[in-house]
Amino acid sequence: DAGVTQSPTHLIKTRGQQVTLRCSPKSGHDTVSWYQQALGQGPQFIFQYYEEEERQRGNFPDRFSGHQFPNYSSELNVNALLLGDSALYLCASSNLGLSSYNEQFFGPGTRLTVL
Amino acid sequence: DAKTTQPPSMDCAEGRAANLPCNHSTISGNEYVYWYRQIHSQGPQYIIHGLKNNETNEMASLIITEDRKSSTLILPHATLRDTAVYYCIVSLAGNMLTFGGGTRLMVKP
Repeated sequence: DAGVTQSPTHLIKTRGQQVTLRCSPKSGHDTVSWYQQALGQGPQFIFQYYEEEERQRGNFPDRFSGHQFPNYSSELNVNALLLGDSALYLCASSNLGLSSYNEQFFGPGTRLTVL
Repeated sequence: DAKTTQPPSMDCAEGRAANLPCNHSTISGNEYVYWYRQIHSQGPQYIIHGLKNNETNEMASLIITEDRKSSTLILPHATLRDTAVYYCIVSLAGNMLTFGGGTRLMVKP
């Protein structure tokens, strides 16, 4: 049973460009959350998708957007990249519809570097 | 979600129990206590969670005080591979996880 997978592993972009990151949740999970982790910091919640809708959103600008597909996989899009967007982007999956406590399983992350 | 307070770092001798404390004095009645750890350059790993009762699994034990204002994660026999940043998080079921600074645990030979 594959866990949470993310692609690509690493990515280098320049300021002003746009980027799309992808996540496939753990089998049986229906909810995907995205987190941003800057170097030396704890992960910061970006947003959560459930039933193809954004269910919760953290304190991130509209440049950050997402999508969830019918197969529960998800994309994170970031427009007009800034140097400060350089970070490890983590995807976590869970089963909102099944679990009463909903532990989240994290993928290995995508390391984004903005030059 | 309630905030948590953890010591920034701790050391533990290999083979000994590691006891990681967490204060969450503003926790509400339906918020869970979650523990995750993050080994360098990897995604966070779920360890254990609890609501009111003490919990144990193959990785660790979670002791929650009766007033629920603090908890302790216990790794019974720490190994070098347990060296990581440990995060204590308080959250409603299904909600986002708010990570603080965590405790950097160093297990020493």
